Amino acid sequence: DAKTTQPPSMDCAEGRAANLPCNHSTISGNEYVYWYRQIHSQGPQYIIHGLKNNETNEMASLIITEDRKSSTLILPHATLRDTAVYYCIVRDNDYKLSFGAGTTVTVRA
Amino acid sequence: SAVISQKPSRDICQRGTSLTIQCQVDSQVTMMFWYRQQPGQSLTLIATANQGSEATYESGFVIDKFPISRPNLTFSTLTVSNMSPEDSSIYLCSVDRGPKYTQYFGPGTRLTVL
Repeated sequence: DAKTTQPPSMDCAEGRAANLPCNHSTISGNEYVYWYRQIHSQGPQYIIHGLKNNETNEMASLIITEDRKSSTLILPHATLRDTAVYYCIVRDNDYKLSFGAGTTVTVRA
Repeated sequence: SAVISQKPSRDICQRGTSLTIQCQVDSQVTMMFWYRQQPGQSLTLIATANQGSEATYESGFVIDKFPISRPNLTFSTLTVSNMSPEDSSIYLCSVDRGPKYTQYFGPGTRLTVL
């Protein structure tokens, strides 16, 4: 079962930052938080992951709270092509990914 | 990242038949995974396939229905056997790559069973 809770949907304006929340209150000390997105039934695309420090790459930033019970994915300048289902996943120690329902993000012009 | 290809990209099959889906990776990987995504649903892990050993199936999936081969470190196949319309789904393979075992996905195979 998925170990995360995400809002089912959210809208954001093109060009603005999109902040996607995720709760993972039962995360254990050595489990990583991963973010993927899936655009219209394509294969999921890896975005970013982290353990306890904030992370940034060319796609997004990941902010993890100090207690690690929640995190936020930030898309700094959303474009129409960022419209997708975003999955927050806590990956367990046997490397399996357990996908929940995710957040359907719609970027509007 | 990893370059992953799947064949076929889509197929329409008759019930009672079987389809074998191929997954090819651009370089050697230890762990490969097969997922199913039913219409309107999220992804569900079918099995983990390591080279040189039998695949490990998740609860609800059995080898007779979804036999998997892993003949080498760059290739795997998933067969959907004795298909029914309920098997209509997207089937995806993925691989672990990188120092923290980031998982990368193939483009998927869209299967429709009539």
